[in-house]
Amino acid sequence: EVQLMESGGALVQPGGSLRLSCAASGFTFVNYAMSWVRQAPGKGLEWVAGISGRGGSTYYADSVKGRFSISRVNSKSTLILQMDSLRVDDTAIYYCVKDLSPYNWNQFDNWGPGTLVSVSS
Amino acid sequence: EVVMTQSPATLSVSLGETATLSCRASQGVSSKLAWYQQKPGQAPRLLIYDASTRATGIPARFHGSGSGTEFTLTITTLQSDDFAVYYCQQYNDWPPVTFGQGTRLDTK
Repeated sequence: EVQLMESGGALVQPGGSLRLSCAASGFTFVNYAMSWVRQAPGKGLEWVAGISGRGGSTYYADSVKGRFSISRVNSKSTLILQMDSLRVDDTAIYYCVKDLSPYNWNQFDNWGPGTLVSVSS
Repeated sequence: EVVMTQSPATLSVSLGETATLSCRASQGVSSKLAWYQQKPGQAPRLLIYDASTRATGIPARFHGSGSGTEFTLTITTLQSDDFAVYYCQQYNDWPPVTFGQGTRLDTK
């Protein structure tokens, strides 16, 4: 059974940094691209960043480009999101998501329960 | 960026009836469209991908159709468990992957 579990969410001040992790199990992690998707309170879904299976390719939403960095440690089946220069509008639940297939990107068939990031002074 | 627009924002349908949800893309996305269901306090769940393929474990009451810029999710014989928010998502032209703003399906 595929399991994704995020951690690292917290209350942080504007301008601060936070590192989110996602522990994955139940599948061959290196074979799948992974992404982070966020959801502000009471709002819709926003794709944040994606990374290829071996980590050689990364992609970002314009809203986070230059501030966030996605990476992965395949030996530990862990996905990471480093968030710097946080802004109030980064407040959201952050979901770790897995692609449906090793061959097709961005069909998100498994989601973690999410971790809450609150940016406030 | 491909803008996804869902309609209506809220749809009220009775138990046992059929719900029809729409999603429009600002430019053609071929059949690279997915639908997700989200219940309060839960993560989204993949229902449909490639516009019309049901994900594992999704009942046949959920039917996706369309291609290009116009897509429809039809849910027949509505059950109480189906009342939720539904999002469409395109993955044809990215980054960024983009989602619609959601349709809330309520019981009438």
